[in-house]
Amino acid sequence: QKEVEQDPGPLSVPEGAIVSLNCTYSNSAFQYFMWYRQYSRKGPELLMYTYSSGNKEDGRFTAQVDKSSKYISLFIRDSQPSDSATYLCAMRRFTGGGNKLTFGTGTQLKVEL
Amino acid sequence: DSGVTQTPKHLITATGQRVTLRCSPRSGDLSVYWYQQSLDQGLQFLIQYYNGEERAKGNILERFSAQQFPDLHSELNLSSLELGDSALYFCASSATPGDLSYGYTFGSGTRLTVV
Repeated sequence: QKEVEQDPGPLSVPEGAIVSLNCTYSNSAFQYFMWYRQYSRKGPELLMYTYSSGNKEDGRFTAQVDKSSKYISLFIRDSQPSDSATYLCAMRRFTGGGNKLTFGTGTQLKVEL
Repeated sequence: DSGVTQTPKHLITATGQRVTLRCSPRSGDLSVYWYQQSLDQGLQFLIQYYNGEERAKGNILERFSAQQFPDLHSELNLSSLELGDSALYFCASSATPGDLSYGYTFGSGTRLTVV
């Protein structure tokens, strides 16, 4: 079983829809949680970073963490065609592990006009 | 441009050969990470260097090795290449090992095709 599970999609939504992307994890040592966006043939870029359980908002993006359920989500409001990309969740332990990030396999999102 | 430079962008080579991938971290970043991305495995951590020293190792094959030089650029060496080594190889950098407030900054990757 992988430490981080993420539905690969693809997920197709109409423009303006609210998108929900999710990851589950099994290692309770994970304390820092991130969401990356990766366009085709590009490197991942950081979208959101959070430490505590609860919600964190940044523009159209909201990251949600539920440590008790080992479940994280990314919500995209008013989705745009430019949001079409692969979204990767990532997480790391508080200490140790060399600060490496463990990634989900990514969810491919397509926002259609 | 993320500030992390990877060369070459594309590499096609035959099985059994050896290649070197190069990464220049973002200015001021001391830590370099190498990741392999394949369709079925996603992003897999290979190795991390901090200021010239190996800091952490992931599932890196013995055929693979890396180093970070005094000018902080890093090289990933892949030898005795197999078809299954075909993947995107990403380098990322961060300011310090513990500074993940802004996560890693990734380069654009090197696409390796082994034929």
